[in-house]
Amino acid sequence: AQKVTQAQTEISVVEKEDVTLDCVYETRDTTYYLFWYKQPPSGELVFLIRRNSFDEQNEISGRYSWNFQKSTSSFNFTITASQVVDSAVYFCALSEEGSYIPTFGRGTSLIVHP
Amino acid sequence: AAGVIQSPRHLIKEKRETATLKCYPIPRHDTVYWYQQGPGQDPQFLISFYEKMQSDKGSIPDRFSAQQFSDYHSELNMSSLELGDSALYFCASSYGEGGANVLTFGAGSRLTVL
Repeated sequence: AQKVTQAQTEISVVEKEDVTLDCVYETRDTTYYLFWYKQPPSGELVFLIRRNSFDEQNEISGRYSWNFQKSTSSFNFTITASQVVDSAVYFCALSEEGSYIPTFGRGTSLIVHP
Repeated sequence: AAGVIQSPRHLIKEKRETATLKCYPIPRHDTVYWYQQGPGQDPQFLISFYEKMQSDKGSIPDRFSAQQFSDYHSELNMSSLELGDSALYFCASSYGEGGANVLTFGAGSRLTVL
């Protein structure tokens, strides 16, 4: 069965600090997909990134970067120079090719103070 | 661009009443998913439909039912409401089935059961 663990329940930082959100996953499939979603205070879930299990290249998008390491079954998310608008709950999710329904982690609440 | 539309955005019901949530997927998306997110919890998968047929089932209570109509919109019907049904209900849509699909979520319908 697939499982996603986000051990950090809440992280509090001051603006301009860098912050890394951890995500560890479990799956028996060789083909799977990892996602990050952002849930701002307004409530909607916003897609941030998708990676497939065959592509371990790290990705950078502006202040956001993702580190995918199959050896440790981790898909961590780093925000550089955090801003107040980054305050949200961030969810990591996993879907397997055979069972395509994404399973979400418990989420990490990021609070960025001015 | 058109997003996933959910209605109503907020709903207050009494115990043992019924409620119906509606979801209008992105045009040309043929797969609809329903998730339930309790306070401080991760989204839990309830049920999904592909081309108007139920395709997968998660932790949906027997008191709940859902369907996808010919225009691809979906409705989640909840009967004999309990206090524990108070949650944010998300609908998401995608084109086709498959683990790689990125789900686009609606803003959610917040159900409060008194």
